[in-house]
Amino acid sequence: GIQVEQSPPDLILQEGANSTLRCNFSDSVNNLQWFHQNPWGQLINLFYIPSGTKQNGRLSATTVATERYSLLYISSSQTTDSGVYFCAVGSGYSTLTFGKGTMLLVSP
Amino acid sequence: EPEVTQTPSHQVTQMGQEVILRCVPISNHLYFYWYRQILGQKVEFLVSFYNNEISEKSEIFDDQFSVERPDGSNFTLKIRSTKLEDSAMYFCASSEALGEPNNEQYFGPGTRLTVT
Repeated sequence: GIQVEQSPPDLILQEGANSTLRCNFSDSVNNLQWFHQNPWGQLINLFYIPSGTKQNGRLSATTVATERYSLLYISSSQTTDSGVYFCAVGSGYSTLTFGKGTMLLVSP
Repeated sequence: EPEVTQTPSHQVTQMGQEVILRCVPISNHLYFYWYRQILGQKVEFLVSFYNNEISEKSEIFDDQFSVERPDGSNFTLKIRSTKLEDSAMYFCASSEALGEPNNEQYFGPGTRLTVT
């Protein structure tokens, strides 16, 4: 099956800093989603981005499908951005394969 | 905005008991999914469901598990005889279609299952 690797596994930032999270995948995809898992365990949809670039406030994402990677940018980070960020990809069928996530801690 | 809902939010059960986790997908969606996440690990696919039958399932989804759409709105996951290792967060998801651009999966808030 498709392999998904996220980096870095852990990231510690000061409030106000910018960060880039990366997701590499091993095959062509027709679905790529970024999620934020909050402290209550809920998966919050951030982006649906099988290709191209999207922005939503301080967050933006870019997927370069031909090179099999996606990037999630967080600008001017806030303590509420802390949590685990997951990349999940789908290729052909319905299954989403998740990466292991990036644990982000933003300190005041 | 339409959302996927799940009940209960937390369920505690004894080993060997049957549990049913319930989900209400988004109303115009046709594809339904269950995923699980053991504490501290990544989210894993269990099963997908379309047109009243299973379309895909993982190795995790053995004979102890079953899914059903008992009516026009609910989608359930049953675990027949729970084991300690079934303790996890279970997520339901739904999508409108399988192909771009309507294959985005929308996740519910999850049911935390604790087996004692």
